[in-house]
Amino acid sequence: SQQGEEDPQALSIQEGENATMNCSYKTSINNLQWYRQNSGRGLVHLILIRSNEREKHSGRLRVTLDTSKKSSSLLITASRAADTASYFCARSQGGKLIFGQGTELSVKP
Amino acid sequence: DAEITQSPRHKITETGRQVTLACHQTWNHNNMFWYRQDLGHGLRLIHYSYGVQDTNKGEVSDGYSVSRSNTEDLPLTLESAASSQTSVYFCASSPGPGDSPLHFGNGTRLTVT
Repeated sequence: SQQGEEDPQALSIQEGENATMNCSYKTSINNLQWYRQNSGRGLVHLILIRSNEREKHSGRLRVTLDTSKKSSSLLITASRAADTASYFCARSQGGKLIFGQGTELSVKP
Repeated sequence: DAEITQSPRHKITETGRQVTLACHQTWNHNNMFWYRQDLGHGLRLIHYSYGVQDTNKGEVSDGYSVSRSNTEDLPLTLESAASSQTSVYFCASSPGPGDSPLHFGNGTRLTVT
C-alpha cells in the first residue's frame, strides 16, 4: 500500500491532557498535512508543514516533521471534549495527497 | 459562503446497477478528487481532475468513472455496482497544485446489496 502508518490507531485521554499522534511514511514528500474528521462529516484541513520545515504551530496544535526519519507528529495541547474526532495525516506524493488510516481520539470530560 | 456539496447523502442500490454520485463545488477550484473511506484502509483515491475535460485514475479506479464538463461538477459513476463498492465516498476540491489543502464534502454512504 502507498499509505503511511499512523499510531496509535485509537487514543483515549481526559480533558486537559495533551494528545500526540504520529505518522510515518516511506517516500520523499513536498509537504505533509493533518486533517480532522468528526463523526459523519467530511475531513477538515488543520495544518500543512513543508518538507523544509521542522515545526509548525496553530493555536493548540503543534506539528513536527522529521524528514530523515520520515515521520511527523501532531500534538494537541490542553485537549477538550470537542477535540474528539479522527485525525489523519496526508502526504503529498506525485502531486496528490495520500492519506493514512487515521487515529481515533476520544477526549473524556 | 463557498461550499462543496455531495448528493445523495445515503444511497442503497442493487448489485449490477449503474449509480452516479454527485459532487458540486462553488469554490471555483480547478482540482477535484474522489476518495472512498473504508475501515482499515483510511481514504483511498479513486479519480481526480485538474480541470475541465481532464480526468485521471487514482489508486482504486477499477469499476469507477468520472467526467468533468465544467468547473463546478465531478460526478462519480459506478458502472455496475458490486458489494465491494459499499463504502463512504468523499469528494474534495482544491485551488492550487494537487497537493494543496483539500476542502471536503460531507460524503455519500453507499450500500450495494
